[in-house]
Amino acid sequence: DIQMTQSPSSLSASVGDRITISCRASQGISNYLAWYQQKPGTAPKLLIYAASSLQSGVPSRFSGSGSGTDFTLTISRLQPEDFATYFCQQGNSFPLTFGGGTKVEVK
Amino acid sequence: QVHLVESGGGVVQPGRSLRLSCAVSGFTLSDYDMHWVRQAPGKGLEWVSAIFFDGSDEDYTDSVRGRFTISRDNSKNTLSLQMNSLRAEDTAVYYCARERPSVTGIFFFDYWGQGTLVTVSS
Repeated sequence: DIQMTQSPSSLSASVGDRITISCRASQGISNYLAWYQQKPGTAPKLLIYAASSLQSGVPSRFSGSGSGTDFTLTISRLQPEDFATYFCQQGNSFPLTFGGGTKVEVK
Repeated sequence: QVHLVESGGGVVQPGRSLRLSCAVSGFTLSDYDMHWVRQAPGKGLEWVSAIFFDGSDEDYTDSVRGRFTISRDNSKNTLSLQMNSLRAEDTAVYYCARERPSVTGIFFFDYWGQGTLVTVSS
């Protein structure tokens, strides 16, 4: 199975900050990576797929990069509605696996 | 609009069975592969099972293989998950999710249901 490791597990930030979240795969997955946002009590929401493609309707302040084993999600200017937990997911092979999540909290 | 609505969750004793359903609308179910993903309370996401668009193939995570069965009825716009021999560690919110078709073969989920809670406890 491909293990997905996210860092940090949590971070504190302020509105307007630029933040980055890292995701590392235990083996190369090309660009077969997706990012999701989840708010408490709700289902995950797709943000980014194929490592850097923005899902329709997602604000352009979200961006993704990376290939192979190392990936990054960046939020360029954090907005109040962005405080949430973010998960990466490898879409290369079964079993599909997720990172442990990064909780973005208010500083 | 795309909608996925899960049902069937509840409290069940260890060793018993439960059947989850996911009713979909706003798209043609037979055009999509579908999945179940779960999330234990306060934990991360875990992929559980997948089924081809036409039901011809399916897959499971190792911890549920042989106990859970995924199925679909495209004529009724419904996805199901039959869960047998339930264990405490199966306690989670179960989400059905639609796989977005991809020409490159990447597997990811563009729509999710709101989830249904399964609690396995004596």
